[in-house]
Amino acid sequence: DAGVIQSPRHEVTEMGQEVTLRCKPISGHDYLFWYRQTMMRGLELLIYFNNNVPIDDSGMPEDRFSAKMPNASFSTLKIQPSEPRDSAVYFCASSLTGPKQPQHFGDGTRLSIL
Amino acid sequence: QKEVEQNSGPLSVPEGAIASLNCTYSDRGSQSFFWYRQYSGKSPELIMFIYSNGDKEDGRFTAQLNKASQYVSLLIRDSQPSDSATYLCAVNRMRSQGNLIFGKGTKLSVKP
Repeated sequence: DAGVIQSPRHEVTEMGQEVTLRCKPISGHDYLFWYRQTMMRGLELLIYFNNNVPIDDSGMPEDRFSAKMPNASFSTLKIQPSEPRDSAVYFCASSLTGPKQPQHFGDGTRLSIL
Repeated sequence: QKEVEQNSGPLSVPEGAIASLNCTYSDRGSQSFFWYRQYSGKSPELIMFIYSNGDKEDGRFTAQLNKASQYVSLLIRDSQPSDSATYLCAVNRMRSQGNLIFGKGTKLSVKP
């Protein structure tokens, strides 16, 4: 079975540009999570969806960040405008039945904002 | 107090020894506990999960949960150099939709 698929794997862009990260969850998983990982703060939840509906976006740092899930097999995390402090590894994860159940992570997107 | 605390390490053990990784958490209502392994530059990989007090064994791995002490641990028996990685403890919150909170991880180094 295919795991969680993220793209791109690496993204380098200049400050002020729009960045779009993409995720395809494991088929049949109803929950999708976006995380950000930095050395300073570790792995932090940004937002998660249940059946394509955002449930908790309290971890989204500010209005420059937005996330959508137009269907069960695709989600995007957008940063506009991007800033150097957004540089991090962004992971998408999915789970079958909820945040209290095992989550399976994609390979991540390593984002560098110059 | 941090919600999930782990010793950052590095924890160094010789090959074949038992590695013991510890995690404490602050939310008494937490119900789900996970251990993830993360190799450098890779994504977190689920190793174990435990929901009830006591021990849960899976191959060389044993997860131990003590809710009264708010403590969860991971034991790795017969440690191998391939076990060298950062181990992340994750605990669900009772509030905030039960989201997982991750510790910052313990770096384990298994010396041949």
